[in-house]
Amino acid sequence: DVKVTQSSRYLVKRTGEKVFLECVQDMDHENMFWYRQDPGLGLRLIYFSYDVKMKEKGDIPEGYSVSREKKERFSLILESASTNQTSMYLCASSLVDLLNEQFFGPGTRLTVL
Amino acid sequence: AQSVTQLDSQVPVFEEAPVELRCNYSSSVSVYLFWYVQYPNQGLQLLLKYLSGSTLVESINGFEAEFNKSQTSFHLRKPSVHISDTAEYFCAVTKGGATNKLIFGTGTLLAVQP
Repeated sequence: DVKVTQSSRYLVKRTGEKVFLECVQDMDHENMFWYRQDPGLGLRLIYFSYDVKMKEKGDIPEGYSVSREKKERFSLILESASTNQTSMYLCASSLVDLLNEQFFGPGTRLTVL
Repeated sequence: AQSVTQLDSQVPVFEEAPVELRCNYSSSVSVYLFWYVQYPNQGLQLLLKYLSGSTLVESINGFEAEFNKSQTSFHLRKPSVHISDTAEYFCAVTKGGATNKLIFGTGTLLAVQP
């Protein structure tokens, strides 16, 4: 059974803290994605990685960075968390052809106080 | 650039009634279309997709969607819904290619009532 796991389901942080969100997939997928999900806005792509150490900005990369040191792991970093980054964060992975299905993790609900 | 419009943010419907969730897209090139479903407290999962061939595609749980190029639509339908179909449904589009990404709509919450 294919699986994408995220390190936390719920996370509460304070403004200015550095936040790490971790995502691990066990399907040997080349592509990994970080999305942000907000009510009325749907899913918006933050960053995308198509190989180890390779990354590409999505639609809303400001305030975020990513790291992919190993194929199975893709980390999202909030260098200095702000209240407007309170949201649901979803990780996904897929095979190299983007027409393939994206498999999603359960999400991390981040609250920044 | 591609974009996706889901005009209905919420669709309430009674159990065993038919339902249609609307999706319209805009693009100057050929696109590929997807419907994803998100059940409560879960991540998204693929429901069905149109890549080529027959314009009518079906899922294993009774949903179907028809690609209509002239109307730039990919509406999702089910003739008889169940309580368990309560979820948020997202339409998505991509033009494909190695680094072209999925563009998601804003989602439609299907609320099935007994």
